[in-house]
Amino acid sequence: GQQLNQSPQSMFIQEGEDVSMNCTSSSIFNTWLWYKQDPGEGPVLLIALYKAGELTSNGRLTAQFGITRKDSFLNISASIPSDVGIYFCAGHYFGNEKLTFGTGTRLTIIP
Amino acid sequence: DTEVTQTPKHLVMGMTNKKSLKCEQHMGHRAMYWYKQKAKKPPELMFVYSYEKLSINESVPSRFSPECPNSSLLNLHLHALQPEDSALYLCASSPWGVGGKETQYFGPGTRLLVL
Repeated sequence: GQQLNQSPQSMFIQEGEDVSMNCTSSSIFNTWLWYKQDPGEGPVLLIALYKAGELTSNGRLTAQFGITRKDSFLNISASIPSDVGIYFCAGHYFGNEKLTFGTGTRLTIIP
Repeated sequence: DTEVTQTPKHLVMGMTNKKSLKCEQHMGHRAMYWYKQKAKKPPELMFVYSYEKLSINESVPSRFSPECPNSSLLNLHLHALQPEDSALYLCASSPWGVGGKETQYFGPGTRLLVL
């Protein structure tokens, strides 16, 4: 099935650095969701966005719903070791029964 | 509380076995989902139940059989699986049902190994 283009594919950063990742689509969405997944666990919902231009924070995480409705961004400030994992974006179009997932961004923190 | 529970956490089965995966949510969510996830890939949708009725089957082989006994429970019955079916199986639920604002909450998953 269709997947969203998510970048970067992987990131290697030092603790304390800020992180930015994004998701782009060729079609518009009404909802953008951001998830974090630890190995062997299910994805955990971090932030849900429902309005173009919306900027929402959850602690050190901030996500934005792009004005064009075709993209979304996730920023993590002052990264800590527990931020390690895979981050997935997911888009949803009203009336559709499915989410479209991004390809994932793997975040690794270098000691 | 946004908890979706899944049992078992791990499952090893032979190709001739019959087993079932269970999922439960007590949040009054109207839609429930089964996904399959391979390593380093996003979840792949298998089935969607909306108001306890099967609304989507993503051309999943018949060796996977979903069941929704009531609005809180979702089962996935497994029979005659193949080694390539080994994966993490995720259950999810959504409060809005299909067609509304979508917010899906995932369970912890069942790690399945088919020998």
